[in-house]
Amino acid sequence: NAGVTQTPKFQVLKTGQSMTLQCAQDMNHNSMYWYRQDPGMGLRLIYYSASEGTTDKGEVPNGYNVSRLNKREFSLRLESAAPSQTSVYFCASTASYEQYFGPGTRLTVT
Amino acid sequence: QKEVEQNSGPLSVPEGAIASLNCTYSDRGSQSFFWYRQYSGKSPELIMSIYSNGDKEDGRFTAQLNKASQYVSLLIRDSQPSDSATYLCAVRVGNLIFGKGTKLSVKP
Repeated sequence: NAGVTQTPKFQVLKTGQSMTLQCAQDMNHNSMYWYRQDPGMGLRLIYYSASEGTTDKGEVPNGYNVSRLNKREFSLRLESAAPSQTSVYFCASTASYEQYFGPGTRLTVT
Repeated sequence: QKEVEQNSGPLSVPEGAIASLNCTYSDRGSQSFFWYRQYSGKSPELIMSIYSNGDKEDGRFTAQLNKASQYVSLLIRDSQPSDSATYLCAVRVGNLIFGKGTKLSVKP
């Protein structure tokens, strides 16, 4: 039972490049979330999916898109990366209220 | 603006002491409250959840909730160096709102 997994663990992009962060959970949770964590800013919600087939914007959605591929998988796409998107990205999932986090992706945009 | 406030610390306590971490929140409609522990370079790990006024104990951890005062706290008894981490308070108002965390250092 792996919980929440994320790939890749580390990534370096040049400004303007695109990439997709992958997240999967094996806990049969309905809801999934993408956060970013920056020094001094705490965890901020980018997008979430309350159930398979639905996605909604969080606090900081600009520059990102998401896809809820199925109940297990929720991906985050950066279409044209910017240095301001340098951050640590966490995926989380929940069945009700308690959220469980993946190990994170450390992204640097140069 | 819904806010969750925590003292950023660092909070330094000697080994074996009680560490007290505090959190206030702005939205009176908040229903669920959580404490996460985050070691440096790692992801947040859920350690306590509390949903009603009063105390909830789990091992060395006690969460306290006072909705009238919009205040939630985490007590760590018999603090160990392995408790040294950043502790995040999170409040559910629709989605989770996180505080910026309090860094705890337990000195041997």
